[in-house]
Amino acid sequence: DTGVSQNPRHKITKRGQNVTFRCDPISEHNRLYWYRQTLGQGPEFLTYFQNEAQLEKSRLLSDRFSAERPKGSFSTLEIQRTEQGDSAMYLCASSAHEGRNTEAFFGQGTRLTVV
Amino acid sequence: TQLLEQSPQFLSIQEGENLTVYCNSSSVFSSLQWYRQEPGEGPVLLVTVVTGGEVKKLKRLTFQFGDARKDSSLHITAAQPGDTGLYLCAGGLNTGNQFYFGTGTSLTVIP
Repeated sequence: DTGVSQNPRHKITKRGQNVTFRCDPISEHNRLYWYRQTLGQGPEFLTYFQNEAQLEKSRLLSDRFSAERPKGSFSTLEIQRTEQGDSAMYLCASSAHEGRNTEAFFGQGTRLTVV
Repeated sequence: TQLLEQSPQFLSIQEGENLTVYCNSSSVFSSLQWYRQEPGEGPVLLVTVVTGGEVKKLKRLTFQFGDARKDSSLHITAAQPGDTGLYLCAGGLNTGNQFYFGTGTSLTVIP
């Protein structure tokens, strides 16, 4: 297992287009998180899955954003009708959540630029 | 409001100096992690602390978890240019599922 994998690493899109990102978590990790990060800031929580169930969504996740984890393994994050304000690094993380240890491991992120 | 506050937000020091980064909250965390992130990359996990009062050392880095599990600190001894990066604390609460991040500390070590 090589860790959390995200694709693509970079995406440039025109305003109004739809984009989809993929995250492959560490195998057997039941929790998967999506975050958004702008330059110099800490990651902001977007949504969280336990297995295939989406258990929590941030208010940051507008109606244009949707995330799925259909088989409890990989996840996709789709942004419809992209806006320039969507430009950011989108990070995925996974964790096993054993006992009190909630450590999460991150992918390298997908850098989105909306022009 | 931010659940985890880090200080300082920015830190620029000379190579060889020591520094401490603080991560504070009014909430009790079940565990707390420290990450280091370089530009254009995802955060890389440095350490996890679970027990109140716990101290962990990773070469020149010393991590401490507060007795009440509400705060943590990261101390770097004899900083090197390779330590430059964004340092993030993060953790999960005893209740709820979200994994919270601190505001981040951007460290620059000048050769």
